[in-house]
Amino acid sequence: AQRVTQPEKLLSVFKGAPVELKCNYSYSGSPELFWYVQYSRQRLQLLLRHISRESIKGFTADLNKGETSFHLKKPFAQEEDSAMYYCAPPGATNKLIFGTGTLLAVQP
Amino acid sequence: EPEVTQTPSHQVTQMGQEVILRCVPISNHLYFYWYRQILGQKVEFLVSFYNNEISEKSEIFDDQFSVERPDGSNFTLKIRSTKLEDSAMYFCASSEEGRNTGELFFGEGSRLTVL
Repeated sequence: AQRVTQPEKLLSVFKGAPVELKCNYSYSGSPELFWYVQYSRQRLQLLLRHISRESIKGFTADLNKGETSFHLKKPFAQEEDSAMYYCAPPGATNKLIFGTGTLLAVQP
Repeated sequence: EPEVTQTPSHQVTQMGQEVILRCVPISNHLYFYWYRQILGQKVEFLVSFYNNEISEKSEIFDDQFSVERPDGSNFTLKIRSTKLEDSAMYFCASSEEGRNTGELFFGEGSRLTVL
């Protein structure tokens, strides 16, 4: 069964500092991974997916098959980045499994 | 921009009562999902639905739960006899594509409180 681990429940950084939200997965097939974000009082929404290899709001995520990781990175955090971030590898079936989430708090 | 809508936003019920949570997915989407999030815990998959039948369900989705698409627009989650531990935020989601490629669009959630 697919599994995803987000080791940090809370990550607190200062504005302008680099951010790395960790995600490790275990999945035997060819993974397609997503990051979802939930801003305060808003719905869960897709942030980015690895297959598109795009940068959204300055965030990027590289799939590292050797380390089975899909860490989310941003070089300079902004206060509006404060949110709950979920890594989600969908696996072989028609669903997404979410990690436990990491709360990113960007301090002014 | 089309959105997934859920009603009610908050429901308080007594243990043992039946609850129906309603969702209107995005109109051209074919795949529908329910997730739940108990306070302080992660978002958990409950069930996925495609072509008028359940395509997958988790072990949480026991006989007390059922889903239905009663008409062309609504997608409902019924809990037959609520327990205290059913208290959670329930999220509906829909997607145009399945099989790992489709983005899931989520509703704002329905908060269920069981007393």
